[in-house]
Amino acid sequence: SAVISQKPSRDICQRGTSLTIQCQVDSQVTMMFWYRQQPGQSLTLIATANQGSEATYESGFVIDKFPISRPNLTFSTLTVSNMSPEDSSIYLCSGGDSGANVLTFGAGSRLTVL
Amino acid sequence: QKEVEQNSGPLSVPEGAIASLNCTYSDRGSQSFFWYRQYSGKSPELIMFIYSNGDKEDGRFTAQLNKASQYVSLLIRDSQPSDSATYLCASNVGGGADGLTFGKGTHLIIQP
Repeated sequence: SAVISQKPSRDICQRGTSLTIQCQVDSQVTMMFWYRQQPGQSLTLIATANQGSEATYESGFVIDKFPISRPNLTFSTLTVSNMSPEDSSIYLCSGGDSGANVLTFGAGSRLTVL
Repeated sequence: QKEVEQNSGPLSVPEGAIASLNCTYSDRGSQSFFWYRQYSGKSPELIMFIYSNGDKEDGRFTAQLNKASQYVSLLIRDSQPSDSATYLCASNVGGGADGLTFGKGTHLIIQP
């Protein structure tokens, strides 16, 4: 299965700023996904990052708040814009293929917004 | 509305016993089901996936799927203290090509 690297692994940010998280996969994957895991909670899908087209967002998540890029089949970024303390969370990247049954996760990026 | 339901626990099982983790889902269109293990402070790690009704075994782990009852389970045989973790059940429609809907997870404690 693919190995996924994320950075930063953690960051402390000020309210109102934006932070971009990078996700790098060691092989080409058709699909990349971004999730959020709030403290003590399970994972919630934010969006599907589509190569060559706009990301597909889940209900409750919008492009202005979470812009996503997917320039190629091995890389994606998620930006958390105009952050507030409610955005403090772990953000996880995942990748998979229609032909592969495995969806692996990066180690996550732990954001704390003050 | 896609929902995956799990008992949050904690579920306490003595070492060497069988741990049984259960999950129900609401979306009848779900085709693929996944069990992830998550240690505190770590990212989820895939244990098993299952697509077909019945049982699927991998080492000490057995996943069971009953689509008619919309029920998925994970059995862990010969439970070890290292199995203590939160177990997340997830489902989707398109296997690796589709994002996952996760349950809240069951916290499993294996007592030595």
